[in-house]
Amino acid sequence: GQQVMQIPQYQHVQEGEDFTTYCNSSTTLSNIQWYKQRPGGHPVFLIQLVKSGEVKKQKRLTFQFGEAKKNSSLHITATQTTDVGTYFCAGEERGSTLGRLYFGRGTQLTVWP
Amino acid sequence: GAVVSQHPSRVICKSGTSVKIECRSLDFQATTMFWYRQFPKQSLMLMATSNEGSKATYEQGVEKDKFLINHASLTLSTLTVTSAHPEDSSFYICSASGRKGWAQYFGPGTRLTVL
Repeated sequence: GQQVMQIPQYQHVQEGEDFTTYCNSSTTLSNIQWYKQRPGGHPVFLIQLVKSGEVKKQKRLTFQFGEAKKNSSLHITATQTTDVGTYFCAGEERGSTLGRLYFGRGTQLTVWP
Repeated sequence: GAVVSQHPSRVICKSGTSVKIECRSLDFQATTMFWYRQFPKQSLMLMATSNEGSKATYEQGVEKDKFLINHASLTLSTLTVTSAHPEDSSFYICSASGRKGWAQYFGPGTRLTVL
């Protein structure tokens, strides 16, 4: 069945360092979405990538979708303490009729001041 | 925009009782709502997908008679945990989407504790 693997599970960085989390799907995706969940909070939608090879930026965050539409990455440049939280990728399988997302297990980011 | 509310935020109940959780999309019509369960420091486990006016589609291993889902309107879905047991204690989160393939907007979650 559909699986979405995400690494690393944990990442601890000093403020100002960069951070990257990687996501890999066992099947081709129609789109991939990224969410951020702050401690004690609920997932908040960050972005959706649809096209093969797509790259999108949101300030210090850069999102990529692989050419084969099976992998994705989120890169944060010069992390800040406000970036703390768990970042989830979630893929929608190509041909899905229900639109359900398969979530990676998340990367928990800790930023030391 | 895209606000989803969930009620209650916390509930404590005795074993054997039933608990209803409501999920509402406040400023958009949600053709599809999803119910997830999340254990501490773990990912979201999809329980079921519900479309307005039709029966929910449950994921493998999720008991449909235990977790009753009703999607009565384009802005409201409910999850009822029937005959709750301590192992049902968890964080339940709903999400809503206006259209297949669009982003899902999550509610704030419900922390269920079954004594």
